[in-house]
Amino acid sequence: QQQVKQSPQSLIVQKGGISIINCAYENTAFDYFPWYQQFPGKGPALLIAIRPDVSEKKEGRFTISFNKSAKQFSLHIMDSQPGDSATYFCAASLEGNTPLVFGKGTRLSVIA
Amino acid sequence: SAVISQKPSRDICQRGTSLTIQCQVDSQVTMMFWYRQQPGQSLTLIATANQGSEATYESGFVIDKFPISRPNLTFSTLTVSNMSPEDSSIYLCSATARGAGETQYFGPGTRLLVL
Repeated sequence: QQQVKQSPQSLIVQKGGISIINCAYENTAFDYFPWYQQFPGKGPALLIAIRPDVSEKKEGRFTISFNKSAKQFSLHIMDSQPGDSATYFCAASLEGNTPLVFGKGTRLSVIA
Repeated sequence: SAVISQKPSRDICQRGTSLTIQCQVDSQVTMMFWYRQQPGQSLTLIATANQGSEATYESGFVIDKFPISRPNLTFSTLTVSNMSPEDSSIYLCSATARGAGETQYFGPGTRLLVL
């Protein structure tokens, strides 16, 4: 059973455009929703995270939108740059320092 | 924050042998985890490394195949035992740092190829 469903699997965006990646979760006990960015040959790095008591969080060009009733959250990358080309993973975890459950990942390519 | 290092960074092994991967964190951590990532795939949790006690394994992973140690707060090892080509994967260590809430930091991974 896949607890976090991520889409699309791959995404091509023009430089300067908006990249949007969506995730849906099933377990209503999830309390923490991070996004990770992974470059080839590297470990995942935390990009931005949100908790369910907030509907939106913005850090620079990266924004998480969270819809608790729909059990969905999304990552928006504004003014996408070629350097943003990477694989993005959404994840979720229960309250406290519990392991993360990851989505399947989205491979983003930003083309000039 | 926490900086995590792993050794070795990559290895090529023969089937039937075992490999021990080391994970070192540069600061006090609360939790340590081991994940597996097949090339081009997502991360799957293998186990939670508990200090001074047996690791907590996820369904599909067993101690005999993936023994884990965590002798102190900042160090853990994962052994991949009696390897087969199906064990070829990237093995990632992660940790949550004291004072950093639920933020999980990841090591660079160990790339294992079993022939």
